Amino acid sequence: DPKIIQKPKYLVAVTGSEKILICEQYLGHNAMYWYRQSAKKPLEFMFSYSYQKLMDNQTASSRFQPQSSKKNHLDLQITALKPDDSATYFCASSQDSANTEVFFGKGTRLTVV
Amino acid sequence: GEQVEQRPPHLSVREGDSAVIICTYTDPNSYYFFWYKQEPGAGLQLLMKVFSSTEINEGQGFTVLLNKKDKQLSLNLTAAHPGDSAVYFCAVKDLTQVVGQLTFGRGTRLQVYA
Repeated sequence: DPKIIQKPKYLVAVTGSEKILICEQYLGHNAMYWYRQSAKKPLEFMFSYSYQKLMDNQTASSRFQPQSSKKNHLDLQITALKPDDSATYFCASSQDSANTEVFFGKGTRLTVV
Repeated sequence: GEQVEQRPPHLSVREGDSAVIICTYTDPNSYYFFWYKQEPGAGLQLLMKVFSSTEINEGQGFTVLLNKKDKQLSLNLTAAHPGDSAVYFCAVKDLTQVVGQLTFGRGTRLQVYA
């Protein structure tokens, strides 16, 4: 029974288009994150949100915009998609900023053609 | 910044044999260490969290060793079985990193055959 739900599971997009990756967690956590896993790099931290506020943006360009409408939601909007954006995007969460145990969703595999 | 090297990238063992995966990290300030398991089509499942003060950690069917002197973290699956087949990732966190930020190794794809 998955507690971190990511939608869609697979996504194909055209270069230059815009997509939104959905993430909802039902663990009662207050901190949520996005990670990216591509063929060329290890699993890579992108964003950190705590209590719906951005804590850190490590590596992502401005084309990547997290959106948190509710405490348990952290969607990822990606604009002007490029083929290099092709990757699996994982949503993750932890109880709060002091808790280091991070739980991951199943990921959204994005392919940009 | 922190870098984590994980080896081997692929590992194939017979059922009942042991399997060892090793990660080497660079930052001496690393304080928390993790092993995750990823089965096909699934997210990352946390296997074990290790504090820097604990060198030997026992789980169900596996042992995690932390060698701070050599900056190495290892996962030893004893008596592997086909259900252990998955990709295993180590991850490291130091106290200066922001909330939720872990540095991952590239993963080891383990196959256990009968």
